[in-house]
Amino acid sequence: QKEVEQNSGPLSVPEGAIASLNCTYSDRVSQSFFWYRQYSGKSPELIMSIYSNGDKEDGRFTAQLNKASQYVSLLIRDSQPSDSATYLCAVTGGSQGNLIFGKGTKLSVKP
Amino acid sequence: ETGVTQTPRHLVMGMTNKKSLKCEQHLGHNAMYWYKQSAKKPLELMFVYNFKEQTENNSVPSRFSPECPNSSHLFLHLHTLQPEDSALYLCASSQDRRGRSAPSEQYFGPGTRLTVT
Repeated sequence: QKEVEQNSGPLSVPEGAIASLNCTYSDRVSQSFFWYRQYSGKSPELIMSIYSNGDKEDGRFTAQLNKASQYVSLLIRDSQPSDSATYLCAVTGGSQGNLIFGKGTKLSVKP
Repeated sequence: ETGVTQTPRHLVMGMTNKKSLKCEQHLGHNAMYWYKQSAKKPLELMFVYNFKEQTENNSVPSRFSPECPNSSHLFLHLHTLQPEDSALYLCASSQDRRGRSAPSEQYFGPGTRLTVT
């Protein structure tokens, strides 16, 4: 069974700090990695995708991928209260390469 | 309309009812998905339609029946559901090419909150 593991949190950080969200996955042949943000009562919103080892930056968000360690992370710089949400890690897996989601990490940014 | 739309947004149905969920994508994508999201559980993939062909059915009970008449529309027909089927049902779409090694991003609709009484 292919799995994606995330710490459920809640992860609490003060406003302006860096929030670090982590994800590990079990399928060594996974090729695509995504971070989604889900506000309470809303649907997941894609915020980052990463396909190769290293860092990818987009505004205040940086995704980091280490395929050897089967580890992907999301850093949020200058965290704002509006970043408070559940962050879902998704990884391709299985014979069809469909997405496998983690349970999500709940982030709370305190003013 | 833009993005991925779903109707209805909320649905309450009895166990003997028959209802349908509708999804429409306005992104020009060729793959569509149904997911189920229950409390405390990860998103569960139910069905995948790629190039209008069903390519995945993750052992979903037959009381859920998908229909994909074209690449822009996706339905989920529901009948004789159980209370444990109460959940948020999400539709998503993506642009995929056959044989592509790295699947592309999926975009979600707002979901249908289903309650089975």
